[in-house]
Amino acid sequence: AQKITQTQPGMFVQEKEAVTLDCTYDTSDPSYGLFWYKQPSSGEMIFLIYQGSYDQQNATEGRYSLNFQKARKSANLVISASQLGDSAMYFCAMRESNTGTASKLTFGTGTRLQVTL
Amino acid sequence: EAGVAQSPRYKIIEKRQSVAFWCNPISGHATLYWYQQILGQGPKLLIQFQNNGVVDDSQLPKDRFSAERLKGVDSTLKIQPAKLEDSAVYLCASSQRNRPNYGYTFGSGTRLTVV
Repeated sequence: AQKITQTQPGMFVQEKEAVTLDCTYDTSDPSYGLFWYKQPSSGEMIFLIYQGSYDQQNATEGRYSLNFQKARKSANLVISASQLGDSAMYFCAMRESNTGTASKLTFGTGTRLQVTL
Repeated sequence: EAGVAQSPRYKIIEKRQSVAFWCNPISGHATLYWYQQILGQGPKLLIQFQNNGVVDDSQLPKDRFSAERLKGVDSTLKIQPAKLEDSAVYLCASSQRNRPNYGYTFGSGTRLTVV
């Protein structure tokens, strides 16, 4: 079973508008972390935002916020005031607890965001 | 601090040839990962090292792929012999448990084309 599901292969948003990228996850581990990465056409993975499973508040980083709904196992990324430079692939990823070592990240299939004028 | 270094940036080989990729992680990061990212998909973990020991290589096609991390610092990933379906970007990443959010950092990747 897929652990991270991103159901939107592609999204369009107009410049200066807000957009929500969906992510649902599946785990039985009570301790986990959720990440969002941006991957522009150049290929590097750029960290955007992190949400821990025990965090009481939704994470925010500048124009990025994470809408964390634990009971629904969703961790949607909200980008406010979209800019042309936001056009890229966006990946949701999860780290499950792994005592004694830094755990691997499991990625979704990604959403390609295109910001238009 | 310096990022995760990978080389080469691009590589084109014929099927059945061999190829090797190199990665130098963030200084002090004990954990090193190799991911394979096929076009249009998310990265998939091939192998995870903790210092110079293998933690997870369950997704590594061991009949053709090998990896090592001697001395617990830099790492090489080798494919021998390559198949057409190995065409992908190979991403190296490193992390350290006691860093904020584990400090996951990715390299720029090596884009492999097998013809």
